[in-house]
Amino acid sequence: QKEVEQDPGPLSVPEGAIVSLNCTYSNSAFQYFMWYRQYSRKGPELLMYTYSSGNKEDGRFTAQVDKSSKYISLFIRDSQPSDSATYLCAMSAATSGTYKYIFGTGTRLKVLA
Amino acid sequence: DGGITQSPKYLFRKEGQNVTLSCEQNLNHDAMYWYRQDPGQGLRLIYYSQIVNDFQKGDIAEGYSVSREKKESFPLTVTSAQKNPTAFYLCASSSGQGRDFFGQGTRLTVV
Repeated sequence: QKEVEQDPGPLSVPEGAIVSLNCTYSNSAFQYFMWYRQYSRKGPELLMYTYSSGNKEDGRFTAQVDKSSKYISLFIRDSQPSDSATYLCAMSAATSGTYKYIFGTGTRLKVLA
Repeated sequence: DGGITQSPKYLFRKEGQNVTLSCEQNLNHDAMYWYRQDPGQGLRLIYYSQIVNDFQKGDIAEGYSVSREKKESFPLTVTSAQKNPTAFYLCASSSGQGRDFFGQGTRLTVV
């Protein structure tokens, strides 16, 4: 079993839809969680960063962490064609100050105009 | 503007050749990382460095080497011992609070 599982998609939604992207993990020591957006042939761009549990909102994006279920989510409201990209989750236990992140394989999202 | 610069964007390597990928950052970050990205496999950690003149192997270090002589620079050499080097290589740096920022990547192809 992989430490981080992420559905590769592709996920196709109409413009304006609410998108839900998810990752599950097996290591209960993970406490730092990130979501990245990656356009084709580009480097990942940090979207959301969350420490421990709870919700975090930034504009149209909301990140949720449920440590009891070992499950994290990224919600995109009012999705736009420009949101079409691959979304990567990443998480770390930050042992001894070392932030070694484990990445999911990414979910390809396509928002249709 | 602060950021991470990777060069070249595209690189072609002949069989048996060593090649070096450049990564420079002006974010004043102590930690730097190299990842390899293959289709369907996500990002895998090759090497990381938390301080100048020190670095550690990641999960797939075989066939790669790095140096960290300056805080700003963390070059990666893909040696001839790496049997399947064709991939997208990403360099990242971290502020020390667990937030990694990435460069735009180098696509390496064996010809």
